[in-house]
Amino acid sequence: NAGVTQTPKFRVLKTGQSMTLLCAQDMNHEYMYWYRQDPGMGLRLIHYSVGEGTTAKGEVPDGYNVSRLKKQNFLLGLESAAPSQTSVYFCASSPVVRNEQFFGPGTRLTVL
Amino acid sequence: SQQGEEDPQALSIQEGENATMNCSYKTSINNLQWYRQNSGRGLVHLILIRSNEREKHSGRLRVTLDTSKKSSSLLITASRAADTASYFCATALPYNQGGKLIFGQGTELSVKP
Repeated sequence: NAGVTQTPKFRVLKTGQSMTLLCAQDMNHEYMYWYRQDPGMGLRLIHYSVGEGTTAKGEVPDGYNVSRLKKQNFLLGLESAAPSQTSVYFCASSPVVRNEQFFGPGTRLTVL
Repeated sequence: SQQGEEDPQALSIQEGENATMNCSYKTSINNLQWYRQNSGRGLVHLILIRSNEREKHSGRLRVTLDTSKKSSSLLITASRAADTASYFCATALPYNQGGKLIFGQGTELSVKP
């Protein structure tokens, strides 16, 4: 099992450009999450999904959109990137809410 | 401010010593979890302690939870250089509050050989 994978690993964008981060899990988990990690801020929840076709806002959703068309995939989109979105993005999945989360390796995004 | 706050922010010890990290939180929780993050990697789950438990062990890890003080501690005994990483506590909110995990800012542990 690959667990949770993220694509791409690194990306540099210019302000105003758009991109999509892909998260895939092969553990048949219902719950999936997108976090961003910034120095001194820990992890902050952007959006999450409790099942295929459902999404919900987390703590810092502004400037991001998500979709979960298939159970195994959770996409995070930036429509118009801003320098404040420079961060490391982590995807996670969990079989049960409130229990252990399995994390991907992260995507390091720089917005110039 | 964050639900979970960790103390200390950084800790440097010698191999073989014990490392203790503390986590405080503000609201009622369903459980509290500890995660480890090696540099440049994703988080890895270490241990989960439920709100009705006071202590839990896993190998060299010992976690305590005091719900009256809204605090938890993670003890790593006989530390090794390979334990060098950042450690995060995460509180699981009750289901009627969304059931989400709220992460602390982390403790950076350095174990010197």
